[in-house]
Amino acid sequence: AAGVIQSPRHLIKEKRETATLKCYPIPRHDTVYWYQQGPGQDPQFLISFYEKMQSDKGSIPDRFSAQQFSDYHSELNMSSLELGDSALYFCASSQGGTSVVTQYFGPGTRLTVL
Amino acid sequence: KNEVEQSPQNLTAQEGEFITINCSYSVGISALHWLQQHPGGGIVSLFMLSSGKKKHGRLIATINIQEKHSSLHITASHPRDSAVYICAVTNYGGSQGNLIFGKGTKLSVKP
Repeated sequence: AAGVIQSPRHLIKEKRETATLKCYPIPRHDTVYWYQQGPGQDPQFLISFYEKMQSDKGSIPDRFSAQQFSDYHSELNMSSLELGDSALYFCASSQGGTSVVTQYFGPGTRLTVL
Repeated sequence: KNEVEQSPQNLTAQEGEFITINCSYSVGISALHWLQQHPGGGIVSLFMLSSGKKKHGRLIATINIQEKHSSLHITASHPRDSAVYICAVTNYGGSQGNLIFGKGTKLSVKP
């Protein structure tokens, strides 16, 4: 069965650079969530989209932005990267309409900021 | 105090042992999730519960809404069960999908 796809899987950037992470949800899933997991930390919710509209916002820095496109894939744009942005970024997808849904997680993108 | 607390933080078991991981939460929830994270990071959703009990293979998850407590049980544990098990909740009335995560229980099953 198709799973959530994230690209790239690994990314190395310098401080103050920009990065774009992509998430392709499971076919027919209309909801995408982004999470950030720092080294040794539990995941933190960043932002979610339902039917191409932002549905919830968590601890996402102002330097980050995200959107969901017409094909339901999502991109997380990160600017002015800082060392503390080094983390594993997970995307998850689900079929929306309720909060009681199973989220399916992607493999994550490991971002390293040097 | 964290909104989602797990115990134990670390657990070492011998192959074949019955394992229980506990999760307590302090917020109203619409659902509780048990997730598995392997070394290297990938997260797999094991269960989503809003009441009662669910079973999948050797895994059993239960939830007691009144006591705000859930348990994940692994029967006949195997070294391939070694992973971090994370409890996460969807806050009742919160916007869709905003999972609140526990800090995880690191399980190591020895052959």
